[in-house]
Amino acid sequence: ELKVEQNPLFLSMQEGKNYTIYCNYSTTSDRLYWYRQDPGKSLESLFVLLSNGAVKQEGRLMASLDTKARLSTLHITAAVHDLSATYFCAVDHNTDKLIFGTGTRLQVFP
Amino acid sequence: ETGVTQSPTHLIKTRGQQVTLRCSSQSGHNTVSWYQQALGQGPQFIFQYYREEENGRGNFPPRFSGLQFPNYSSELNVNALELDDSALYLCASSSKRRGSGNTIYFGEGSWLTVV
Repeated sequence: ELKVEQNPLFLSMQEGKNYTIYCNYSTTSDRLYWYRQDPGKSLESLFVLLSNGAVKQEGRLMASLDTKARLSTLHITAAVHDLSATYFCAVDHNTDKLIFGTGTRLQVFP
Repeated sequence: ETGVTQSPTHLIKTRGQQVTLRCSSQSGHNTVSWYQQALGQGPQFIFQYYREEENGRGNFPPRFSGLQFPNYSSELNVNALELDDSALYLCASSSKRRGSGNTIYFGEGSWLTVV
């Protein structure tokens, strides 16, 4: 059974600081997704990672994938308040049936 | 704006009643998946429809059922509602056509409260 774990579950960071969210999954997966969710809202697609060593960046967020370690990271650079949200990673076997992680609630304060 | 629309956005039902939620997929997408997200948790896969047929199901009882129509829109039906069915129901749109890209887009969701 494919399982996805994220850590930390909750992250409180000061503006301007850097931090990394980790996503581990239990079995081989074809694709790794990162989503952002604001309170009371739906999921916003951030990144799709397809192959080992893939790295994608958008603004202050950078995602990477290590398929051998079954690990993806979401790195936050110089955090700003607007990044406060819950971040989910998800995986699938090229089926579009996503298995989500537990989510990381990020709070950025001044 | 993902092009995936869901209705209704909010609704309140009584335990034991039935509910139908609707989803219009993004143009060109032939696959619709439904997810349940309870408060404070990650989304859980309910089932997927591809070319009007159910194409995989998560760990949900038979009282959760669905349909996909020729225009690829979809419905999620839940019978005999229970209090634990209170959640955000998300519809996801994607395409299995080669070269269509890999992003899966979510609608804004339907908030269901069962009292």
